[in-house]
Amino acid sequence: KNQVEQSPQSLIILEGKNCTLQCNYTVSPFSNLRWYKQDTGRGPVSLTIMTFSENTKSNGRYTATLDADTKQSSLHITASQLSDSASYICVVPNSGYALNFGKGTSLLVTP
Amino acid sequence: ETGVTQTPRHLVMGMTNKKSLKCEQHLGHNAMYWYKQSAKKPLELMFVYSLEERVENNSVPSRFSPECPNSSHLFLHLHTLQPEDSALYLCASSQDLRGFTDTQYFGPGTRLTVL
Repeated sequence: KNQVEQSPQSLIILEGKNCTLQCNYTVSPFSNLRWYKQDTGRGPVSLTIMTFSENTKSNGRYTATLDADTKQSSLHITASQLSDSASYICVVPNSGYALNFGKGTSLLVTP
Repeated sequence: ETGVTQTPRHLVMGMTNKKSLKCEQHLGHNAMYWYKQSAKKPLELMFVYSLEERVENNSVPSRFSPECPNSSHLFLHLHTLQPEDSALYLCASSQDLRGFTDTQYFGPGTRLTVL
C-alpha cells in the first residue's frame, strides 16, 4: 500500500478561485513533507518543504499546512491562474534516500 | 546551462531497437537517480548512483541498463523493450543521499513510446 495518499485525484476550477489539495501519509519516522508541481511534459519542481515543527508555510499564492499528529498536509492555492494547471505531488522522504511519492492531484484552471 | 537536462525529450522506438537516454546535471551534486513515471501511478525509483557508484537497482528488468561515467552524467541504455515500458523517464540529482535533508532536482524527462 502506498504510504502517501492524495485527494482529489483531479480537480477543475475557474480562474481566480481558490482550491485545497490534500495529502495523507503513513511514513515513519517522519522528517519533512514536500509539495512538488509538475507541468505537463516537464519534471517535478519543488514548491515547499515542511519540517516536523512547521504548521504553515507560504510560497506566493501557495500555502502548505502540516499536522504531524494526524499525518495530514494540505496545499492551498489562492486566486488561481491558468498557469497553475499542473499535477501537484506530495512527497515524504524515508530515512535513507528514497522518496515516497503520492499519485498526484491533477489541477485544471479554466478561463 | 543550469539545472538538470535530459535528451532526447521524446523517443519512439520499436521493441528490437537499442537506444540511450542521457541526463546531465550542472548543480555539482554527488547523487543521481532514474525514475519511471506512468499514468496514474506514483513515480517509481529505478536506479540510484552516488559518486558514480550504483547504490540501488530497484528490481528493474535487465533490458534497462544504467551507466554513470562521472558525477555529472547519467545514461539509461534501452534494448528489447516492451510496450508497457512506455512512460516518462525522469532523471534527478541531489547533493548527497540524505533523503531527509537533500532536495532532489528533476530534469524535464524523456517521453518514451515503445511500439
